[in-house]
Amino acid sequence: KAGVTQTPRYLIKTRGQQVTLSCSPISGHRSVSWYQQTPGQGLQFLFEYFSETQRNKGNFPGRFSGRQFSNSRSEMNVSTLELGDSALYLCASSPGQANSPLHFGNGTRLTVT
Amino acid sequence: GNSVTQMEGPVTLSEEAFLTINCTYTATGYPSLFWYVQYPGEGLQLLLKATKADDKGSNKGFEATYRKETTSFHLEKGSVQVSDSAVYFCALSDRGGNNRLAFGKGNQVVVIP
Repeated sequence: KAGVTQTPRYLIKTRGQQVTLSCSPISGHRSVSWYQQTPGQGLQFLFEYFSETQRNKGNFPGRFSGRQFSNSRSEMNVSTLELGDSALYLCASSPGQANSPLHFGNGTRLTVT
Repeated sequence: GNSVTQMEGPVTLSEEAFLTINCTYTATGYPSLFWYVQYPGEGLQLLLKATKADDKGSNKGFEATYRKETTSFHLEKGSVQVSDSAVYFCALSDRGGNNRLAFGKGNQVVVIP
């Protein structure tokens, strides 16, 4: 069974631009969550989608948004990039039941210059 | 809100030494507790979990016991190997049926031959 796939692996953007990250979950998984990982703040929850609906949202500004498609693939968008958005963005999928383990992708490394 | 605290700083130890990584949590209700491991260049992998008080999670020689009275979930391994070098994250999820995890800051473990 293929794991969680995130594309691209690396991105370099300029302040003020926008970026879209993609995540393909494990086949059959209906929940996709996004996390931001930085050295200072650690791992922080961005949002979770289940069956194309946002089920949970973390404490990030509205510049961070996401969506999920009918095949469970998910995209995350960040608009008006700031230097502080530089981070590793991790996507995780799960079947969606309570306490089912999350399966993480290898992440997208975003650098904002 | 829910939070997880891990001991500060990296952990460096020799092969076959005993490993302990402390984890304490603050949460309302009865969360589930997890340890995730991140090997260099890879995404997070679930190492073990415990879903109720006094449960012991175990995997690959690692163990952790859910202690409600001390709100702790310390990770232990009796004899580490060089291949255990990684970053270890303690995490919790509430029982609201969602997949929103609160992570600790993580501990870098370096095992020296």
